[in-house]
Amino acid sequence: AQSVTQPDIHITVSEGASLELRCNYSYGATPYLFWYVQSPGQGLQLLLKYFSGDTLVQGIKGFEAEFKRSQSSFNLRKPSVHWSDAAEYFCAVGPLGQAGTALIFGKGTTLSVSS
Amino acid sequence: DGGITQSPKYLFRKEGQNVTLSCEQNLNHDAMYWYRQDPGQGLRLIYYSQIVNDFQKGDIAEGYSVSREKKESFPLTVTSAQKNPTAFYLCASSYGGSSGNTIYFGEGSWLTVV
Repeated sequence: AQSVTQPDIHITVSEGASLELRCNYSYGATPYLFWYVQSPGQGLQLLLKYFSGDTLVQGIKGFEAEFKRSQSSFNLRKPSVHWSDAAEYFCAVGPLGQAGTALIFGKGTTLSVSS
Repeated sequence: DGGITQSPKYLFRKEGQNVTLSCEQNLNHDAMYWYRQDPGQGLRLIYYSQIVNDFQKGDIAEGYSVSREKKESFPLTVTSAQKNPTAFYLCASSYGGSSGNTIYFGEGSWLTVV
């Protein structure tokens, strides 16, 4: 079955420290991969996406993610976290070139930033 | 500005009542989606529609209904058959039906059963 796993439910990092949020997927084919961020009570905003090509993807707000096919992972990273990065982060996958489908989301990781 | 508008933002429903959540987009997107979000559960797909007058059930369609009479609109009705409707509901849209296209989200609607 297709699935997305975000192993960390909640992470706390100090402001200025580096961040890595983990995402693992189970998929029968090459997927499209996404990271979204959600502030409390708001909709989701796209941070970055991977379709093909360079496996290191740059996104908005200084985030990047690396696709590792051998590990079925798409981890999100940021070198220096700001207090405004505190939010919930969702990894999502979708099938390549398959019409009539929707994304599958992980359960999310809540990021807290301490001063 | 282009975007996805959900209304109302907050809705209270008595048990046994049907309620309809509105979702309108002016992005000229073909596909529209409804997701339900519960704490610690991530987003679960309720229904999606690739084109006008066509829609498919998602993972948790029971107790919900939708219509797609116009490209811009995809209202969701939460019926009395939905046993636990209190949740945050997110509408989304994308170009085409392929999940390779980026999905954009509205700001969500909170539904509380009282």
